[in-house]
Amino acid sequence: QKEVEQNSGPLSVPEGAIASLNCTYSDRGSQSFFWYRQYSGKSPELIMSIYSNGDKEDGRFTAQLNKASQYVSLLIRDSQPSDSATYLCAVNWGFQGAQKLVFGQGTRLTINP
Amino acid sequence: DAGVTQSPTHLIKTRGQQVTLRCSPKSGHDTVSWYQQALGQGPQFIFQYYEEEERQRGNFPDRFSGHQFPNYSSELNVNALLLGDSALYLCASSNTGGEYFGPGTRLTVT
Repeated sequence: QKEVEQNSGPLSVPEGAIASLNCTYSDRGSQSFFWYRQYSGKSPELIMSIYSNGDKEDGRFTAQLNKASQYVSLLIRDSQPSDSATYLCAVNWGFQGAQKLVFGQGTRLTINP
Repeated sequence: DAGVTQSPTHLIKTRGQQVTLRCSPKSGHDTVSWYQQALGQGPQFIFQYYEEEERQRGNFPDRFSGHQFPNYSSELNVNALLLGDSALYLCASSNTGGEYFGPGTRLTVT
């Protein structure tokens, strides 16, 4: 069974601090990794994608990938109350260009003013 | 540029009934996927359509079926509804890269 694991939280971080979200996956053949943000009662919103080992930065967000350790993380710098949401890690287990995203259960993040 | 749209927003059905949910993909996207999200869980992949064919399918029973039209829009049909089918149903479209989700349809089965 291919799986994606996340700590469900809740994770509480003070405003202005760095929030660190982690995800592990079971299939070594996975090539594409995504982070989605989901506000309560809303649908998931794509915030980061990463395909190669190392770091990828986009504004206050940094995604980190280590395929050898089968580990993906998301760092949020200068955390704001508006960052309070559930963060979903997704791994693509598709083939021949077809996407089949497998999601973790999500980590609920709360930023405290 | 319109994003992914879904209809209806909310739906209440009775056990044993059938339901059809609709999705229009983001402009320029030709692939549509459907997901089911139970409360407190991540989305679960139901199936994906490309060029009007079901390209991949997750671990859902045959009661779940779909269709894609020539304009890339899609429908999800669920027959013989069970209480456990109550969930948020999400449509996502993609071209290359990640998938982009619509607002979802909240289905309640009573």
